[in-house]
Amino acid sequence: AQKITQTQPGMFVQEKEAVTLDCTYDTSDQSYGLFWYKQPSSGEMIFLIYQGSYDEQNATEGRYSLNFQKARKSANLVISASQLGDSAMYFCAMRGWIIQGAQKLVFGQGTRLTINP
Amino acid sequence: GAVVSQHPSWVICKSGTSVKIECRSLDFQATTMFWYRQFPKQSLMLMATSNEGSKATYEQGVEKDKFLINHASLTLSTLTVTSAHPEDSSFYICSARPGLAMGEQYFGPGTRLTVT
Repeated sequence: AQKITQTQPGMFVQEKEAVTLDCTYDTSDQSYGLFWYKQPSSGEMIFLIYQGSYDEQNATEGRYSLNFQKARKSANLVISASQLGDSAMYFCAMRGWIIQGAQKLVFGQGTRLTINP
Repeated sequence: GAVVSQHPSWVICKSGTSVKIECRSLDFQATTMFWYRQFPKQSLMLMATSNEGSKATYEQGVEKDKFLINHASLTLSTLTVTSAHPEDSSFYICSARPGLAMGEQYFGPGTRLTVT
């Protein structure tokens, strides 16, 4: 079974500071993908970044980077130079590969990020 | 990225009635579509996975006779909440993938259902 754990229910950060949102996962799959989504108050799920289990380099997308430590099974999201518009709920998610039923995207509990001016 | 639409964006219905929610992939063909449910301040919980032309696979604890899913074409999936009750009030989000390759999964904007 796959499991995603986000241990930070809420984070408060000053504008322009960098922030790290924690995510650990557990899976028996050899091949899997890790995702981060942002959900503002409107409810839409906004894709931020993806990391494949065999990717050797950490994924980056603009101000977002994923600190992937495979041996520790962690996939933390780093947001550099935070902005007020970054305030939202952030979800870490994982999808397995070939195993039957493992292609579904499983979400962590989420972290509510608040950026203070 | 690709676009997934949902209709309606919000709906209020009376207890005992049925409600249909549509999910469409607008610019790609979705081999697989997923339906999630999200309660306030909680995470997304997968309800079921549907593949075009075949029966949906429901997650444990989800009543398939209550939440009817139809994936009639490669661009349309519907979720029907039958005989809705107040406890069915929730935010329902659909998601779609263009294929089996590992990669991005696209989400619809969600439908907020309120059962009175």
